[in-house]
Amino acid sequence: DGGITQSPKYLFRKEGQNVTLSCEQNLNHDAMYWYRQDPGQGLRLIYYSQIVNDFQKGDIAEGYSVSREKKESFPLTVTSAQKNPTAFYLCASSPERNTIYFGEGSWLTVV
Amino acid sequence: EDQVTQSPEALRLQEGESSSLNCSYTVSGLRGLFWYRQDPGKGPEFLFTLYSAGEEKEKERLKATLTKKESFLHITAPKPEDSATYLCAVRDSNYQLIWGAGTKLIIKP
Repeated sequence: DGGITQSPKYLFRKEGQNVTLSCEQNLNHDAMYWYRQDPGQGLRLIYYSQIVNDFQKGDIAEGYSVSREKKESFPLTVTSAQKNPTAFYLCASSPERNTIYFGEGSWLTVV
Repeated sequence: EDQVTQSPEALRLQEGESSSLNCSYTVSGLRGLFWYRQDPGKGPEFLFTLYSAGEEKEKERLKATLTKKESFLHITAPKPEDSATYLCAVRDSNYQLIWGAGTKLIIKP
């Protein structure tokens, strides 16, 4: 089935630790995105990529890093520099400048 | 500044009680307005895209409309399974997406 797969669904991070969230799509979409969602707030853009080997910072990129080595994959690393990482993370993809579609999300909790 | 505001924040309805959710926006050069449904702990599910004032789209009990300043999501005779958070987003002239905070809809049987 075509879609966007995020893994893991639940992830726990210790203080000072980097963690990576995986996002894979088989929709042949050019653009991919990472959003953060906190309770009662709208989606906030972390990073986006419109083509392979190129990506741009969103509104809240500090403490996060990404790579886009393959069209299908856009992993997000939450670094120890991100002081408040507990949130619901959403990966999305779209044909260029068109409707975006989301994965099922990943919960990250600091322990 | 480009902005999207959704109202109300939460809406409780009885099953079968029709109502509307509002998404008002201020954006330079609208390139599309999008409605999504989000269930708890899940990713948003795409519902509609509207591009120009006067445009309407329907899907089952949902109907989305668009004016130059706002969009409405009309829900006709809702059922408990329509309970979810409904998100609105607009794409501006730079093709950036701006999101509203959502409306939490609860349909009581």
